[in-house]
Amino acid sequence: GAGVSQSPRYKVTKRGQDVALRCDPISGHVSLYWYRQALGQGPEFLTYFNYEAQQDKSGLPNDRFSAERPEGSISTLTIQRTEQRDSAMYRCASSFQNQKLFFGSGTQLSVL
Amino acid sequence: QQPVQSPQAVILREGEDAVINCSSSKALYSVHWYRQKHGEAPVFLMILLKGGEQKGHDKISASFNEKKQQSSLYLTASQLSYSGTYFCGTEQGRSGGYQKVTFGTGTKLQVIP
Repeated sequence: GAGVSQSPRYKVTKRGQDVALRCDPISGHVSLYWYRQALGQGPEFLTYFNYEAQQDKSGLPNDRFSAERPEGSISTLTIQRTEQRDSAMYRCASSFQNQKLFFGSGTQLSVL
Repeated sequence: QQPVQSPQAVILREGEDAVINCSSSKALYSVHWYRQKHGEAPVFLMILLKGGEQKGHDKISASFNEKKQQSSLYLTASQLSYSGTYFCGTEQGRSGGYQKVTFGTGTKLQVIP
């Protein structure tokens, strides 16, 4: 596609439910990142993939958060047993040869 | 360590100039600048690598003082389209061959007619 595509655009869930957020990067972009952005704040690094390999997951807040990119293209960020503090905008970004980041429109997660 | 940006917010009239500063308490490998319009994704402006270079395109340029661990973004003859929140992001190194950017809290810039 022309840009980084994320779905759903909005996700409202109840506390304790699991959610899966999807990212479809720009075709040919090897590098894929997940960021979280709180309102009024800059993006916060969560995890990085090089093709299908998760090379850095140091930014994942706790073990309820996980991510995968099984075929080196589409990635899924999963949050288990969601809590209200997980509410935020989750953004995916991809890049070619680790040049500039192209961010997606994000998934706005609200945990009630 | 999150970089510190100043000012937090600025209002300009069209045609005026502005400077946004970004500073870090740690040695830097690179500084990245992004602009985010309300309700949209951040958009890349430029990246500066250590070496004290200055970059620019159109009327937006930036400098990177490696020794002071500071970067400044210069907006000249501002246009209405420059409105948005500007984020600097920093890297302390790139040992893994990928970007691990830590973003600042942003500078909200509004250009009015």
